[in-house]
Amino acid sequence: QKEVEQNSGPLSVPEGAIASLNCTYSDRGSQSFFWYRQYSGKSPELIMFIYSNGDKEDGRFTAQLNKASQYVSLLIRDSQPSDSATYLCAVNLYSSASKIIFGSGTRLSIRP
Amino acid sequence: NAGVTQTPKFQVLKTGQSMTLQCAQDMNHNSMYWYRQDPGMGLRLIYYSASEGTTDKGEVPNGYNVSRLNKREFSLRLESAAPSQTSVYFCASSVKASDTQYFGPGTRLTVL
Repeated sequence: QKEVEQNSGPLSVPEGAIASLNCTYSDRGSQSFFWYRQYSGKSPELIMFIYSNGDKEDGRFTAQLNKASQYVSLLIRDSQPSDSATYLCAVNLYSSASKIIFGSGTRLSIRP
Repeated sequence: NAGVTQTPKFQVLKTGQSMTLQCAQDMNHNSMYWYRQDPGMGLRLIYYSASEGTTDKGEVPNGYNVSRLNKREFSLRLESAAPSQTSVYFCASSVKASDTQYFGPGTRLTVL
């Protein structure tokens, strides 16, 4: 089992709809969770981080964390064409606190 | 404030050649990282330095060496390049280990 798993997509969502991206992780003791966005040919940039169970909202973005089920998700409301990118889930390992492991990413496409 | 800088941006090597990828950050961050990104594989951690004076192996360290020259600089060396090392290499830094990471623009390396 990979330490951080994401559906590779592509996930196609109509403009204005909600995009839902999911990520599962294997290290039950993980404490820090991140979502990065990466445009084609560019470097990753942070969208959100979450440390506690529940929801965290920032503008059109909501991160959801469920440590009991070992998943973290990202919701994008009112999706825009500029949201088309690859979204990377990253998790810090409790077994090696200095390491953050990335999932392989989900490619999101917003269709007009 | 340049953030994280990487040199070179592009490089072509022949099998067996050596080279060093340079990374520097001006954010006074303690932790620095080297990743490689291959299509469909997400970001894979090569080496990291949780703090000045320490380095540790990540997921895919074979064929690479690193040097944390000082707090600002973290270099990655390929002693004898192989075609399997063709990839995009990203350097990143964070205030402390397991914290939000900030990425450089990447180095596109091709080994023939």
